[in-house]
Amino acid sequence: QQQVKQSPQSLIVQKGGISIINCAYENTAFDYFPWYQQFPGKGPALLIAIRPDVSEKKEGRFTISFNKSAKQFSLHIMDSQPGDSATYFCAASNSGGGADGLTFGKGTHLIIQP
Amino acid sequence: DVKVTQSSRYLVKRTGEKVFLECVQDMDHENMFWYRQDPGLGLRLIYFSYDVKMKEKGDIPEGYSVSREKKERFSLILESASTNQTSMYLCASSLGSGPSSTDTQYFGPGTRLTVL
Repeated sequence: QQQVKQSPQSLIVQKGGISIINCAYENTAFDYFPWYQQFPGKGPALLIAIRPDVSEKKEGRFTISFNKSAKQFSLHIMDSQPGDSATYFCAASNSGGGADGLTFGKGTHLIIQP
Repeated sequence: DVKVTQSSRYLVKRTGEKVFLECVQDMDHENMFWYRQDPGLGLRLIYFSYDVKMKEKGDIPEGYSVSREKKERFSLILESASTNQTSMYLCASSLGSGPSSTDTQYFGPGTRLTVL
């Protein structure tokens, strides 16, 4: 059972455009939603994270939007740059006990064209 | 900066061999994790450990075991490697204070294992 569904699988955006990656989750016990960024040959690294007590979190050009009722969250990259080309993973976890580690989406391969 | 190192970047083994993947972190983190990464499947948790000598199964533990004798070191063991275990293996650690920590996970660069 896939608990975090991520789309699209791949995305091509022109430089300066907005990149949008969406995730949906099923487990209502999830209360921590990070996004990880992975460059080729590297391990994933935390980009930005949100908890469900807020609907939006912004860090520079990166914004997470969170919709608790719809059980969806998304990553927006404003003014996308070629250096943003990477694979992005959404993830979710439950801080209150039970399942451990992070449940990851399948990833989105983002290409920013110059 | 947190550093997570993995013993090999690339490894080629034969079917039936016993394989050890080593991971070391230098930040005194409590939690350590092993994932495998496959195209189209994302990252899947194999095992994790939230304390020395403690281990918990993740989503896909079959065919794997782990060892954590020291806090900084977490080993993944393939008792009898099979071709379907060809994959990228990623180790991670987090500060943690129990099994349900949501602290940032810091990943190593990965080991690409090929089983022939």
